[in-house]
Amino acid sequence: QVQLVQSGAEVKEPGASVKVSCKASGHTFTNYAIHWVRQAPGQRLEWMGWINGGNGNTKYSQKFQGRVTITRDTSATTAYMDLSSLRSEDTAVYYCARGRGDYDYVWGTYRNWFDPWGQGTLVTVSS
Amino acid sequence: EIVLTQSPGALSLSPGERATLSCRASQSVISSYLAWYQQKPGQAPRLLIYGASSRATGIPDRFSGSGSGTDFTLTISRLEPEDFAVYYCQQYGSSPTFGQGTKVEIK
Repeated sequence: QVQLVQSGAEVKEPGASVKVSCKASGHTFTNYAIHWVRQAPGQRLEWMGWINGGNGNTKYSQKFQGRVTITRDTSATTAYMDLSSLRSEDTAVYYCARGRGDYDYVWGTYRNWFDPWGQGTLVTVSS
Repeated sequence: EIVLTQSPGALSLSPGERATLSCRASQSVISSYLAWYQQKPGQAPRLLIYGASSRATGIPDRFSGSGSGTDFTLTISRLEPEDFAVYYCQQYGSSPTFGQGTKVEIK
């Protein structure tokens, strides 16, 4: 079955960067997008961006533009999310999820729901 | 950005009862690009409904979705013990956004 397995919990100091991995199995990695979503304590789920598993194209939420970089390694069927200049407000559980649905060729973006999700990675930012 | 507002914030019901959850969008959601997820403590969200009314694979038929435009509803016809959880709506017609969640708790 389709499965996404994420790397383990991280503790970082303010100003540092964190890189979370997401290994996919059970589907053709290059046929789908992988999205990243985070959930801070007491906050709603927040979409961060996606990567096209095939050509590596990316799109980021304006909120994270300039601080987030999503990459992938097709040979390892793994996607990565790198978040820099961490602050305490970045403390959250970070999820990867496979995108399902349409690709809008006019706007160059996915219209995706998310299924399945990785198990989540807790990133704690604290001095 | 489309803002999704879910109501009520919490719902106290007994097993066997019907649950009706609402999700209202700040502007029309194109092509009914709306999904619903269930999340239990310490777990990732699980897809229930996509396209406003299509059940995901393996989801029991007691879960149903409806609506269009700005108003959407998730209905659980008869609550089972495993259905007590938090439910989120998500629109994907533009940059994805989520509602703040509705907690369905045991009365």
